[in-house]
Amino acid sequence: AQSVTQPDIHITVSEGASLELRCNYSYGATPYLFWYVQSPGQGLQLLLKYFSGDTLVQGIKGFEAEFKRSQSSFNLRKPSVHWSDAAEYFCAVDRGSTLGRLYFGRGTQLTVWP
Amino acid sequence: DSGVTQTPKHLITATGQRVTLRCSPRSGDLSVYWYQQSLDQGLQFLIQYYNGEERAKGNILERFSAQQFPDLHSELNLSSLELGDSALYFCASSVDVRVNEQFFGPGTRLTVL
Repeated sequence: AQSVTQPDIHITVSEGASLELRCNYSYGATPYLFWYVQSPGQGLQLLLKYFSGDTLVQGIKGFEAEFKRSQSSFNLRKPSVHWSDAAEYFCAVDRGSTLGRLYFGRGTQLTVWP
Repeated sequence: DSGVTQTPKHLITATGQRVTLRCSPRSGDLSVYWYQQSLDQGLQFLIQYYNGEERAKGNILERFSAQQFPDLHSELNLSSLELGDSALYFCASSVDVRVNEQFFGPGTRLTVL
C-alpha cells in the first residue's frame, strides 16, 4: 500500500532552535516529493519540492529538505525557527505516474515557544 | 495569495441537502484538483480535471460529482449530505496534467448540521 508517514503529530521548539520534521514514504520508485505548510484558516502553501538531481533542496522561508533514497525519507529542516513558523506541515508525494494526484501525510503541528 | 480562489469560504447546511463549491484556478493553469481535509481522514484526493476532462478519481463518494467548465473554473457538487461530510474542501491547480506544483486555494469549510 502506498503511504506517507509523518511520525511526529506535534512538535514544540523554542524560538531560535533548530527544527527537523520527519517524512517517510513507501513506494517502489523515487516519487516526486513536496512539503506544504498550512497556517490556521489558510490554504496550503508549497515550501519546497524535489523532482530529481541534488538531494538537498532549498525552499522558501529558510527551509530545506534532504531526500535520502536509502531511507525513503524527505525530512524538512530549518536552522533557526521563528515564532511565525508555528503552523501545520504536510509532506506529500506524487508517485510519478500521469495521474498527478498527491498523497499527503497526516501532518505535524509545530508550536514555537517564545 | 496562491492565485486560486474558492467560494464560498464557509457553508453551513443540513443533512440531506445539496451544495456546490466553486473554484477558479490560477491564470494559465489547466489542471484542477479537489481535496477533502477532515480530522479522521486527513487530506484526501477526490478528483482531478484537465482542460475540461476528468483525469483521475480518488476517494470520491458517488454522492459527490465535479466538473470543469470551458473557462476552466470547476465546481464540486455534494448531495444527500451527511454529518460526516463536514470538512475543509480544497481546490488546487497546476499548469498541466502532470502534478508539477499544485497551488492550493484557501478552502471551503463545510459544516453539515
